[in-house]
Amino acid sequence: GEDVEQSLFLSVREGDSSVINCTYTDSSSTYLYWYKQEPGAGLQLLTYIFSNMDMKQDQRLTVLLNKKDKHLSLRIADTQTGDSAIYFCATFTDSNYQLIWGAGTKLIIKP
Amino acid sequence: DVKVTQSSRYLVKRTGEKVFLECVQDMDHENMFWYRQDPGLGLRLIYFSYDVKMKEKGDIPEGYSVSREKKERFSLILESASTNQTSMYLCASSYATRLIGHEQYFGPGTRLTVT
Repeated sequence: GEDVEQSLFLSVREGDSSVINCTYTDSSSTYLYWYKQEPGAGLQLLTYIFSNMDMKQDQRLTVLLNKKDKHLSLRIADTQTGDSAIYFCATFTDSNYQLIWGAGTKLIIKP
Repeated sequence: DVKVTQSSRYLVKRTGEKVFLECVQDMDHENMFWYRQDPGLGLRLIYFSYDVKMKEKGDIPEGYSVSREKKERFSLILESASTNQTSMYLCASSYATRLIGHEQYFGPGTRLTVT
């Protein structure tokens, strides 16, 4: 079946940029998502990008999509302690009813 | 704001008990989902529903059943709880009638421990 892969952990210093990467296998993915899960909480939809876009920016968040390499990234500028969370990448195709989820990347902020 | 609520944040049950997890959404969404989340495995879809009384199996339906009698409420039932069902259970909803899985909104989760 189709797959989405992410590193399990990323550690950055407060104030630096964080880049969380994701690779996927389904070339027919039409929407690609980033969800955030804070400790003890459910998932919050952060942003998503449509497959005909290369980049989407929303304040401190920048999403880059490389369809050729099937690579999605989430950049968080000026990382703060409140950004500590698990970030999930997910893909969606029109012909399917469900998202394909990555295992999540835990973002650790060092002071 | 979309609000998805789950009946319990934490639940402890004994092996063999029947367990009900309830989820309610207040935005008139068509679709509702039940996932379980385990460390390193991400989210796995148990069941989803695209309309009242309609349900579809996800990737791991064994040992679970669901009920959707009203549009806003989706229940997950563990007929006879087992220790391997100890997990975080997440409910989600989405509005899209064609792109069923698109733009899902999640509840806070129920951490179930089966002893």
